[in-house]
Amino acid sequence: AQSVTQLDSQVPVFEEAPVELRCNYSSSVSVYLFWYVQYPNQGLQLLLKYLSGSTLVKGINGFEAEFNKSQTSFHLRKPSVHISDTAEYFCAVSAISSGSARQLTFGSGTQLTVLP
Amino acid sequence: KAGVTQTPRYLIKTRGQQVTLSCSPISGHRSVSWYQQTPGQGLQFLFEYFSETQRNKGNFPGRFSGRQFSNSRSEMNVSTLELGDSALYLCASSFTELRHGANVLTFGAGSRLTVL
Repeated sequence: AQSVTQLDSQVPVFEEAPVELRCNYSSSVSVYLFWYVQYPNQGLQLLLKYLSGSTLVKGINGFEAEFNKSQTSFHLRKPSVHISDTAEYFCAVSAISSGSARQLTFGSGTQLTVLP
Repeated sequence: KAGVTQTPRYLIKTRGQQVTLSCSPISGHRSVSWYQQTPGQGLQFLFEYFSETQRNKGNFPGRFSGRQFSNSRSEMNVSTLELGDSALYLCASSFTELRHGANVLTFGAGSRLTVL
């Protein structure tokens, strides 16, 4: 089984400042990694994913994340945030194998609030 | 390309009733997954359907059931509703990234169920 820990439940940051949202995972097998964003009263939107290859992954809206296998982390970063980035962010994993591996296990979410 | 469509968006039921939620996946997506989102438990996997067959099921009681039709549309049903079933129910469809076998989900906006 897999588990995901998002270390910060709330992250306030001023507009145009950089931000890092932290995600650590636990798994006995190799995993795929995802970050999703949820705006109020909406579903989840995929920001980026790591499937294989380069450990630095670029996503939409200027976000990027780095997969660190030794530290089992997949932190999300953005060099300069905007008010419109205010939302809840979820880290998720799925195991690289068949069967139940297709389901995603989500972290508890990080509420990013961008202040003017 | 139309996204994942969930109906209804909002509904209110009373304890003991049953409810059916509908999901239309992105055209060409044959896999449909359902997740429950609550403030206390976060995002939890309910089940996944592929080609009208349930491929995987999460740890939910038998009151939660689903099905998928030949056009890939899916429904989930909750019988004998309890107060704790109040949640946002998210449907997601996916194509499988053939090179990796990863299940990359596209979510709908959700159906918000309130049980009184």
